[in-house]
Amino acid sequence: RKEVEQDPGPFNVPEGATVAFNCTYSNSASQSFFWYRQDCRKEPKLLMSVYSSGNEDGRFTAQLNRASQYISLLIRDSKLSDSATYLCVVNQGGGTSYGKLTFGQGTILTVHP
Amino acid sequence: DAEITQSPRHKITETGRQVTLACHQTWNHNNMFWYRQDLGHGLRLIHYSYGVQDTNKGEVSDGYSVSRSNTEDLPLTLESAASSQTSVYFCASSERTSDTQYFGPGTRLTVL
Repeated sequence: RKEVEQDPGPFNVPEGATVAFNCTYSNSASQSFFWYRQDCRKEPKLLMSVYSSGNEDGRFTAQLNRASQYISLLIRDSKLSDSATYLCVVNQGGGTSYGKLTFGQGTILTVHP
Repeated sequence: DAEITQSPRHKITETGRQVTLACHQTWNHNNMFWYRQDLGHGLRLIHYSYGVQDTNKGEVSDGYSVSRSNTEDLPLTLESAASSQTSVYFCASSERTSDTQYFGPGTRLTVL
């Protein structure tokens, strides 16, 4: 089983649609959770951190379910500029293992007019 | 503005040659990381450092080495390049006690 698993997609949605991505992780001791965005041939950039209480940033909402070891990202009112690969990222260690992140393979999103 | 840079951005080399990829950050971050990204594998950790003179092996460290002589730089060396090391390499950095990483623009390496 992969340590961090995502549906690779691709997801093809029209502008204005709502789309949700899911991610599961294998280590119940995981401490930190993130969604990164990666545009074609560019570096990954932090989209948002994911907290147990859930968090929202504009059109983006992230949720964490520790019991099910499951993370989600919801994008509302999709824009053409949201087209990218979305990476689920987990720190599966604890204590002083800062930055030892495990990346999912990414979910490809294409938003069309 | 603080930033993280990588050089070269593109490199073509031959099997067996030694190659060094540079990574430089001006955030004064303690933690620095090297990843490779390949289709079907996502980003995989090669080596990382939590400070000067500290280096650690990651998931795919065989054939690679790093050294950390100052806070700003973490060069990645391929001792004897192999075709399997053709990939896109990303450097990243973070603050000492943070998991939030900031990535450089990447180096596309081709080993012929």
